[in-house]
Amino acid sequence: AQSVTQPDIHITVSEGASLELRCNYSYGATPYLFWYVQSPGQGLQLLLKYFSGDTLVQGIKGFEAEFKRSQSSFNLRKPSVHWSDAAEYFCAVGATSGTYKYIFGTGTRLKVLA
Amino acid sequence: NAGVTQTPKFRILKIGQSMTLQCTQDMNHNYMYWYRQDPGMGLKLIYYSVGAGITDKGEVPNGYNVSRSTTEDFPLRLELAAPSQTSVYFCASSYPGDKNIQYFGAGTRLSVL
Repeated sequence: AQSVTQPDIHITVSEGASLELRCNYSYGATPYLFWYVQSPGQGLQLLLKYFSGDTLVQGIKGFEAEFKRSQSSFNLRKPSVHWSDAAEYFCAVGATSGTYKYIFGTGTRLKVLA
Repeated sequence: NAGVTQTPKFRILKIGQSMTLQCTQDMNHNYMYWYRQDPGMGLKLIYYSVGAGITDKGEVPNGYNVSRSTTEDFPLRLELAAPSQTSVYFCASSYPGDKNIQYFGAGTRLSVL
């Protein structure tokens, strides 16, 4: 069955510390991969995406993610977290054809300590 | 550049009432989606549409209906609202030529009491 797993429900880091949010997926073939961020009371904003090619992708707000085919993972990283990064982060996989539906992970809520 | 617009932002319904959540996009996207978001559950797909006049069920369609008479609009209808439909609803749109990146509205927070 197709699925996306974000094993960490909550993560707390200190401002300035590095961050890694984990995402693993189960899918028949390599899908399109996405990370979205949701600030409180807001909709989802695309952080970054992977379609093909270079497995390290850069996104907005200083985030990057690395696709590892052998581990079916697409982890999100940031070298130095800012207080404004506190939000909920969703990993999603998307079909590469047909109806292009997404499957979302359950999200990781990030708290940043001053 | 409005993108995806959802109305209303908040609504409280009584059990058994009905309502329509509105979604409109100005990006000429073929594909549109409705999701519900419940705490700790991520987003679940309710219905989607690949073009005007074409809709299909997603993962959790029971209790909802949709229509797609124009490219721009994709309303979600709740008939006989139930407490289990208390949730945050998101509409999204995408275009296959853009690798189907989905763009989301700001959401509608619905409470059924």
